[in-house]
Amino acid sequence: DAKTTQPPSMDCAEGRAANLPCNHSTISGNEYVYWYRQIHSQGPQYIIHGLKNNETNEMASLIITEDRKSSTLILPHATLRDTAVYYCIVRPMKTSYDKVIFGPGTSLSVIP
Amino acid sequence: KAGVTQTPRYLIKTRGQQVTLSCSPISGHRSVSWYQQTPGQGLQFLFEYFSETQRNKGNFPGRFSGRQFSNSRSEMNVSTLELGDSALYLCASSQNRLGDRNTEAFFGQGTRLTVV
Repeated sequence: DAKTTQPPSMDCAEGRAANLPCNHSTISGNEYVYWYRQIHSQGPQYIIHGLKNNETNEMASLIITEDRKSSTLILPHATLRDTAVYYCIVRPMKTSYDKVIFGPGTSLSVIP
Repeated sequence: KAGVTQTPRYLIKTRGQQVTLSCSPISGHRSVSWYQQTPGQGLQFLFEYFSETQRNKGNFPGRFSGRQFSNSRSEMNVSTLELGDSALYLCASSQNRLGDRNTEAFFGQGTRLTVV
């Protein structure tokens, strides 16, 4: 599976948009970009995934560059409850979680 | 619909003891997988159970074992605890086996095990 690179930490003011970048320059054609988050001492929570088109759901938007080498997760109006570690991973749709590596992620702090 | 439930949330044990953790999957889900999460190693796969049978196993010693019951609830057992077993233990449930098309796993809140 392709490796991802994320900044270790970010701050965001409450109510503003949080833009979390991820580099995945070795992504292959059949790999999707997934985003999860983990609030302290809880299990990872699925946020969104995409292949090459931008995606939006009730939680966030995912912007994938045309060459698919990087992506950005956007939380449009960050709240204090969005403070968590955000993981960007790439994997083929059919890969089971035993083969997925969750890296250190980005620790997002939403500041009042 | 209730999510994945893990009990207990927190546990403190001493070296040499054994521990049993419990996971109740989302209703209708037949696969339960277990993971160990530590700051240094990240999220590591332990094993997956589907229809009461272990289907997949990670690279952990035999002290780590599990089982699944007919109602899909699963338990994980760790015997002869070591200090290095201190971690957040997560279970995830999915409708089908991990890796099946369109199968997504949903994680529980985890059990924080501290071995002293």
